[in-house]
Amino acid sequence: NAGVTQTPKFRVLKTGQSMTLLCAQDMNHEYMYWYRQDPGMGLRLIHYSVGEGTTAKGEVPDGYNVSRLKKQNFLLGLESAAPSQTSVYFCASTLTGGANTEAFFGQGTRLTVV
Amino acid sequence: AQSVAQPEDQVNVAEGNPLTVKCTYSVSGNPYLFWYVQYPNRGLQFLLKYITGDNLVKGSYGFEAEFNKSQTSFHLKKPSALVSDSALYFCAVRGTGRRALTFGSGTRLQVQP
Repeated sequence: NAGVTQTPKFRVLKTGQSMTLLCAQDMNHEYMYWYRQDPGMGLRLIHYSVGEGTTAKGEVPDGYNVSRLKKQNFLLGLESAAPSQTSVYFCASTLTGGANTEAFFGQGTRLTVV
Repeated sequence: AQSVAQPEDQVNVAEGNPLTVKCTYSVSGNPYLFWYVQYPNRGLQFLLKYITGDNLVKGSYGFEAEFNKSQTSFHLKKPSALVSDSALYFCAVRGTGRRALTFGSGTRLQVQP
């Protein structure tokens, strides 16, 4: 039972380069989320999806794009990486959008932009 | 808007002693409150949640949390700390009709042998 899997686990980018982070879940969850974690700031929501083919902006969406072409996958793209995007990125999923459902997290992607 | 405050960056406690990690929240409507734990180089793991009912919620690994509506708090507690409890702890809230969790800044728990 894999749960939520993120690839890659580590990446170093040069400023201006692009990349895509992949999140895959095998729990048939409807909702998926991308967060970034920075020291002293907790987790901040970048984008989320309430179902296949849908995406919505979170708290800090600038500089990122997402797609949810398949229910099990949620992709996070950086079109032109900046040093301010150096962070640890977490994907999460929930079975439904109910307020009482707990989220399941991937192990994170550590991204460094130089 | 919804928000969470964890006033302590770090909590130090001796093994065997009780521990408390503090959390206060602000949300419209009924709050749904969660605690997560993060071990080094790992994702967040669910510990416990408050939805409704009994104000004392029991969760994984012997942790419990007390919901206090008048003080808008949801403190995490454990009667006897273990060295293996050392980790980063996050409180989170989701209000009615909100699509995602809002997290606090995290509290690092250090349990000394």
